[in-house]
Amino acid sequence: RKEVEQDPGPFNVPEGATVAFNCTYSNSASQSFFWYRQDCRKEPKLLMSVYSSGNEDGRFTAQLNRASQYISLLIRDSKLSDSATYLCVVNYGQNFVFGPGTRLSVLP
Amino acid sequence: EPEVTQTPSHQVTQMGQEVILRCVPISNHLYFYWYRQILGQKVEFLVSFYNNEISEKSEIFDDQFSVERPDGSNFTLKIRSTKLEDSAMYFCASTREANEQFFGPGTRLTVL
Repeated sequence: RKEVEQDPGPFNVPEGATVAFNCTYSNSASQSFFWYRQDCRKEPKLLMSVYSSGNEDGRFTAQLNRASQYISLLIRDSKLSDSATYLCVVNYGQNFVFGPGTRLSVLP
Repeated sequence: EPEVTQTPSHQVTQMGQEVILRCVPISNHLYFYWYRQILGQKVEFLVSFYNNEISEKSEIFDDQFSVERPDGSNFTLKIRSTKLEDSAMYFCASTREANEQFFGPGTRLTVL
């Protein structure tokens, strides 16, 4: 069974805060991992791929722990524009499984 | 910047009717996908398509669904006899190397 789990939130944080999301996946055969963001009634947009060594893109840091089968996303110095739903995506061959998403609201 | 486009943006149909949703993937991409998202729920994989054939499909993608790449640019999803529960947002996505996907803006399908 291929499942991806996320805390649905919402996470309500003040501007400038650091916030972290976790995601767990059930199938150890998974190959690739991604974080997407989705604004209300819009399409998912790729935020970043997640590599085994971890990767950083500006205020965003992603980590992968294959042994424990979880992926994390850290957002530093959060902005109002970061308010969205963050989707964890795991790839098995040609099948991409989406988590239910974690909703973030950054408050002024 | 190249992008995936989808038409129509909103389709309203009667139960039992056939609908065709259209997508134009990014031109040098090789892998194409359809997803659906029922309002308030998660994005669900329907089907992937590569080299002019289906490479994988989910249990949602039953005999009522079909996909086609009729020419070098379009990628379509057909639902033969729509049901009320087919009402959802349908997203098309494409990727060059089966990794980072780029999504179209979606077609909202409403079945009455």
